[in-house]
Amino acid sequence: AQSVTQLGSHVSVSEGALVLLRCNYSSSVPPYLFWYVQYPNQGLQLLLKYTSAATLVKGINGFEAEFKKSETSFHLTKPSAHMSDAAEYFCAVSDPSNTGNQFYFGTGTSLTVIP
Amino acid sequence: KAGVTQTPRYLIKTRGQQVTLSCSPISGHRSVSWYQQTPGQGLQFLFEYFSETQRNKGNFPGRFSGRQFSNSRSEMNVSTLELGDSALYLCASSPLAGGPTYEQYFGPGTRLTVT
Repeated sequence: AQSVTQLGSHVSVSEGALVLLRCNYSSSVPPYLFWYVQYPNQGLQLLLKYTSAATLVKGINGFEAEFKKSETSFHLTKPSAHMSDAAEYFCAVSDPSNTGNQFYFGTGTSLTVIP
Repeated sequence: KAGVTQTPRYLIKTRGQQVTLSCSPISGHRSVSWYQQTPGQGLQFLFEYFSETQRNKGNFPGRFSGRQFSNSRSEMNVSTLELGDSALYLCASSPLAGGPTYEQYFGPGTRLTVT
């Protein structure tokens, strides 16, 4: 069974500060992992994905995430927060052995950027 | 390429009625998935269609159903609406036959309000 836990439903950072959003997964098989961002009244936009290649994954808008199997984590980081980063962030996991597309999402982390 | 489109964007229905939501995937995408997003439950997988066949199904009652047409467009139907069905319904499409290697591209969603 697949599941994702996002620690911290709300995170606030100052503009220019490091952004760290936490995601831990539970999976019986090596998973595929994704980070999505959702702006108000919009759908989800893919930030980055891990599909068993490089463990450090770079995404759009300066975000990156590192897959750590020993910690079952896939935390999202950005060195310097911008006001435009304020949004809801979702971590998702899927099972590579599943022939279909079924993602399991975390409950989301709302990021606030303080000017 | 045009993104995933969903119609209508907003809908208000009365308890007991039924509703049909529509999703047009990105051109060339054959897999369409549906998700329900609520503040309390987060993002929950409803079902996935590929080549007009339901390939995966989440844990929702039979009142929730869907279908996919030969042009990959998909509809979902909710019968006998309940207040708890109020949610943002998101559609996502994927480019290939499956294998969760590939990310899902989300539409803007349909906001359903049941009164």
